[in-house]
Amino acid sequence: GAVVSQHPSRVICKSGTSVKIECRSLDFQATTMFWYRQFPKQSLMLMATSNEGSKATYEQGVEKDKFLINHASLTLSTLTVTSAHPEDSSFYICSALQDPRTGELFFGEGSRLTVL
Amino acid sequence: AQSVTQLGSHVSVSEGALVLLRCNYSSSVPPYLFWYVQYPNQGLQLLLKYTSAATLVKGINGFEAEFKKSETSFHLTKPSAHMSDAAEYFCAVSGGTGRRALTFGSGTRLQVQP
Repeated sequence: GAVVSQHPSRVICKSGTSVKIECRSLDFQATTMFWYRQFPKQSLMLMATSNEGSKATYEQGVEKDKFLINHASLTLSTLTVTSAHPEDSSFYICSALQDPRTGELFFGEGSRLTVL
Repeated sequence: AQSVTQLGSHVSVSEGALVLLRCNYSSSVPPYLFWYVQYPNQGLQLLLKYTSAATLVKGINGFEAEFKKSETSFHLTKPSAHMSDAAEYFCAVSGGTGRRALTFGSGTRLQVQP
């Protein structure tokens, strides 16, 4: 089956630094990827839709200058958390649109960000 | 617009007992429905999906779900729970509009008691 790889799985950084998370579709081309954020014991909150070759579409309340998304190729999307603060600590999960007809997604393994 | 309601944030069953996780949806168009499972500190794995073919859908690990349009439900069941089924389960709906992201329910944590 399709595989989506996310890296790093865990990252700890100091407040004020930037962190980049990569999301790769390994065996299919994903023109659309989605980035979600998940707080402990909660559901997934959609942050943005990443479209290959164009600007990402951000959900209401998500700061686009804070969470930079780049989708430079059909197999790679990156999320950069800029000037991270402790409140940005969370579990970030990417997903790739496998079937545009149904909306089926394949998910990465997630990245746990801890900002000190 | 689509929405998903999962009744019961926590469900506890005994090993070998029936598992029933409830999901009701709202959709302005014929929906596509999904169940995903999440183990601690991991991403989501697709359990099964309804894409307008058979209303009774079988998935991995012995799970199945039945699409009932009249009840706007897509409940997940498994006849006999295993300890390894303990995880978080998410129901999701798509309007089938291609690039729109799935809308997820709030999740149900399944505990399996020995």
